[in-house]
Amino acid sequence: GAGVSQSPSNKVTEKGKDVELRCDPISGHTALYWYRQSLGQGLEFLIYFQGNSAPDKSGLPSDRFSAERTGGSVSTLTIQRTQQEDSAVYLCASSPPRQGPIPYEQYFGPGTRLTVT
Amino acid sequence: AQSVAQPEDQVNVAEGNPLTVKCTYSVSGNPYLFWYVQYPNRGLQFLLKYITGDNLVKGSYGFEAEFNKSQTSFHLKKPSALVSDSALYFCAVRPSSGGSYIPTFGRGTSLIVHP
Repeated sequence: GAGVSQSPSNKVTEKGKDVELRCDPISGHTALYWYRQSLGQGLEFLIYFQGNSAPDKSGLPSDRFSAERTGGSVSTLTIQRTQQEDSAVYLCASSPPRQGPIPYEQYFGPGTRLTVT
Repeated sequence: AQSVAQPEDQVNVAEGNPLTVKCTYSVSGNPYLFWYVQYPNRGLQFLLKYITGDNLVKGSYGFEAEFNKSQTSFHLKKPSALVSDSALYFCAVRPSSGGSYIPTFGRGTSLIVHP
């Protein structure tokens, strides 16, 4: 079946511009995560959506970053007034609905490589 | 707070030799532990997870990992490495109760398998 998809795959933008990154999770997955991957820095958690609950925004690095998830499916990560330090690969992941305490693994998209010039 | 350490940025091994990629963790209570692999220009793919029970967990592509509670480790192993195993490997942890449902990832270990 279809996996997690992200668009665009690459985005080059000028410093100060706004960008929107899109994530289409696997159908039926209620959990959705955004991560940022910088060279040598591993995965940095940004934001977590679970069903209709309020999102966990604790990982967003500044108020220039925001995300929404419409209809419990597609999610958009928006970065306003981009800075060069925002350059990274942005990964989206989804997971099936929780059934009891056993956690499901995350299914990752291919990522969006953002370059701020 | 939970954390993961992958002490080696890079592991080099010859094809056919056994490989080990190290992971240690810190978490309150019992852990759920995961290994993921990332091939170039791809997202992460799930390899295996430890939830409870048998300390030796078997996963995809012939990989296995051993949970050691006393050493707070979850090292990834494979008896015979393939060149195609060359990739970036991530360990992740989250608490089994309380705390956050959000896994914390290590910084990754680059595995290079030489022909």
